[in-house]
Formats: sequence, C-alpha cells, structure tokens
Amino acid sequence: DIVMTQSPDSLAVSLGERATINCKSSQSILYRSNSKNYLAWYQQKPGQPPKLLIYWASDRESGVPDRFSGSGSGTDFTLTISSLQAEDVALYYCQQYYSPPYTFGQGTKLEIK
Amino acid sequence: EVQLEESGGDLVQPGGSLRLSCAASGFTVSAHYMNWVRQAPGKGLEWISLIYNDAGGGTTFYADSVKGRFTISRDTSKNTLFLQMNSLRPEDTAMYYCARTPYGGGGWGQGTLVTVSS
Repeated sequence: DIVMTQSPDSLAVSLGERATINCKSSQSILYRSNSKNYLAWYQQKPGQPPKLLIYWASDRESGVPDRFSGSGSGTDFTLTISSLQAEDVALYYCQQYYSPPYTFGQGTKLEIK
Repeated sequence: EVQLEESGGDLVQPGGSLRLSCAASGFTVSAHYMNWVRQAPGKGLEWISLIYNDAGGGTTFYADSVKGRFTISRDTSKNTLFLQMNSLRPEDTAMYYCARTPYGGGGWGQGTLVTVSS
C-alpha cells in the first residue's frame, strides 16, 4: 500500500500570509505514460463533507479560488494558499489515486495565528 | 451539476447488516471509478472501497479493514452506487461518503451516519 504522510500536522498562519502544506507518498504516484501525478487535495470544514480543491496534483477544481495551488511530482507535493483568508480555516487532506487502496494523508489542521 | 446523495445509515447492533445507497445525478455512475470513504468520529478519512467503470470491467477493491464483510456494487438503471455491509463491528461506526475518483473533477455526497452499538 502507498503511505501518504502530511506535514505539519497543524499550522497557524496570519491572515493574508502564505500557508504551505506538504504531502509525501511512499512511492512515486507519477504515471509516466500520461505524465500525470495521481494526487488530490481536499478541504474539510466541521460538519461538512470533504471538498475537492486540486486534482492531478496541480489542476484546480472548478469554483476553487485561485489562491489555492498545488505543485510537486513523483513523491513530494505541496498545497499552497497564497493569502490566507478566515474561511480557509479547515482540515486539509491529500489522497493518492494511483493504485488502490486510495490512501489519504493523516490531515493537516490549518488555523489563524 | 454533479450530485451524490447517500442514504441507508442507521443504528445497528454488532454483527448486523446494513445497505447504503448513493444516488447520482449529473453524470453516469457506470462511466466513472466510484468510491466509498468513511470517517470515524473525530478521525481522518479512510478509503474503504472502489469499483471501476464499465471500461474497467467493474473490478472491485477493498481496504483490508472491510474485506470479506463489505461489498460494493452499482445499479446502472438507477444510476446508484451501493455498499452492502455485513458482520458490522463497533469500529465501523462512522460517516460514510460516496465519492467519484477525481479524474478531471470530483464529487462527494453529504454522507450517511452508521452507528454500530448494542
């Protein structure tokens, strides 16, 4: 099974500042035949289902603000929020969908400093 | 617009069974890789099952934690995904979500709550 490890477990950032969350996979999730990284990022607020933010490691889901961006390839990935807004306080998860079981990271809690 | 709506969650005794449903609209379930994901109270997300699309032969996969007890299936005529859960245990208590594999966009339901307790 592919193990997904996020860092940090929690993060406090000032409003308007940049927030960065990392995700590392135990093996490459880059499918060379199509050059796609099978990595998604989700945001989850209390009492709500997860919301897809990013897929293919860097493609933004429709309707997601452009302050959210994803980067990385192979085994190392990053979710960046360029200018933190109050409504971005949430849990964030990465997930690989390269091969089943489609494992999630343990989650990163993002708070306002 | 992609929409998913789960139902069937309930309070059930250990050893009991339950069948969850996920009604889809805005897309065809059989054309997508579909998943069940659960979240125990206060815990993270746990992927539990996947069914490939028709092109993938409808192949199914399970997490070790549910293998042999849970069965994923779909009804093309109803555009609905199912999860049959047998031999339920207290540790299966969770919110259960259906979700599209994010090939070119996602989609999650609001979830249905399963509580396993005597």
